[in-house]
Amino acid sequence: KAGVTQTPRYLIKTRGQQVTLSCSPISGHRSVSWYQQTPGQGLQFLFEYFSETQRNKGNFPGRFSGRQFSNSRSEMNVSTLELGDSALYLCASSLTYQETQYFGPGTRLLVL
Amino acid sequence: AQKITQTQPGMFVQEKEAVTLDCTYDTSDPSYGLFWYKQPSSGEMIFLIYQGSYDQQNATEGRYSLNFQKARKSANLVISASQLGDSAMYFCAMREGVSYIPTFGRGTSLIVHP
Repeated sequence: KAGVTQTPRYLIKTRGQQVTLSCSPISGHRSVSWYQQTPGQGLQFLFEYFSETQRNKGNFPGRFSGRQFSNSRSEMNVSTLELGDSALYLCASSLTYQETQYFGPGTRLLVL
Repeated sequence: AQKITQTQPGMFVQEKEAVTLDCTYDTSDPSYGLFWYKQPSSGEMIFLIYQGSYDQQNATEGRYSLNFQKARKSANLVISASQLGDSAMYFCAMREGVSYIPTFGRGTSLIVHP
């Protein structure tokens, strides 16, 4: 079974731009979560989707948004990028929101 | 208060020796799950082992075992017979309660040297 895939793997943007990251979960998994990882803050939970509905949201500003499609694929969008948004963005999928999460390789975003 | 505490920022171990990575957690919910992940320098988080709060036995997965002490609220990861490829960051995580929002510790860097 294929693992979680994330595209793109690397991204360079400038302040003020917006970005969309994509995540394809493991086949059959209906829950997708997004995390931001930085050296200073560690791994922080962004949001979780289950069956196209946002179940939980972390403590991030409204510039961070996401959605999940009927095939469980998910996208997250960051508008008006700031330098502090430079991070590794990890996507994780699980069968349901209670089950073990399996992570993708991440997208490294650099904001200049 | 920190929900997950990993007190060892860095650990060193000789190849083929065993090593214990510490994790303590804080929750008042009787239903929770504890996870350990490995993150090599490539960035991908690799699931290692899971322990449910109601599990009677300590979880084991190959060379990985979880020393679960519920009363002390600790869930230490034991890696037996360390290999050079075990060098990575190790994260302890918890999902608790109805919402099951996951919380991760700050991680422990493990270096295995020959």
